[in-house]
Amino acid sequence: AQSVTQLGSHVSVSEGALVLLRCNYSSSVPPYLFWYVQYPNQGLQLLLKYTTGATLVKGINGFEAEFKKSETSFHLTKPSAHMSDAAEYFCAVSDTGRRALTFGSGTRLQVQP
Amino acid sequence: DGGITQSPKYLFRKEGQNVTLSCEQNLNHDAMYWYRQDPGQGLRLIYYSQIVNDFQKGDIAEGYSVSREKKESFPLTVTSAQKNPTAFYLCASSIPGRNTEAFFGQGTRLTVV
Repeated sequence: AQSVTQLGSHVSVSEGALVLLRCNYSSSVPPYLFWYVQYPNQGLQLLLKYTTGATLVKGINGFEAEFKKSETSFHLTKPSAHMSDAAEYFCAVSDTGRRALTFGSGTRLQVQP
Repeated sequence: DGGITQSPKYLFRKEGQNVTLSCEQNLNHDAMYWYRQDPGQGLRLIYYSQIVNDFQKGDIAEGYSVSREKKESFPLTVTSAQKNPTAFYLCASSIPGRNTEAFFGQGTRLTVV
């Protein structure tokens, strides 16, 4: 079965600083990986996804992620944090058996003024 | 506009009562999913359906039931057998396949009183 681990349940950065949210995956087959964002009391919105092809994936709101097979990682980055980026972020992997997404435990991003 | 509608947004239930959460989508997606979200635990899969009149248990199906009589609808019933039902419930849909993302509704927050 596929799984993802998100390191750090809370991350705090200053406005304008680099955002780095970590995600490592476990998969016996080439993984399909996703990052979602959730604002309070709302559903999840897709930021970006990696399926095949280019390992550097660009998403919405200036976020990007790099698939590194050798490190089994898919970390999410943004060069300069904005106050509006404060939210919870989830990494997910597509399960080959049941064709549903398996999510990490999430990372809450706080942006300090 | 296409999307997923969950209702109600907030729901209160007395102990021992069954309650049904509604999920409707007009995206013409074959696959639908129910996830439960608790603080610090990410999203956990309750049930999923890849096609009408068929559904499978996810990781935490005990105390829940679903039906999939129409492509557009995937209601979730939280039964009295679910010992700790207070949570945020998210419905999602997708085109079947490993490389496709799931689209989420805005969620229903269920509280047992």
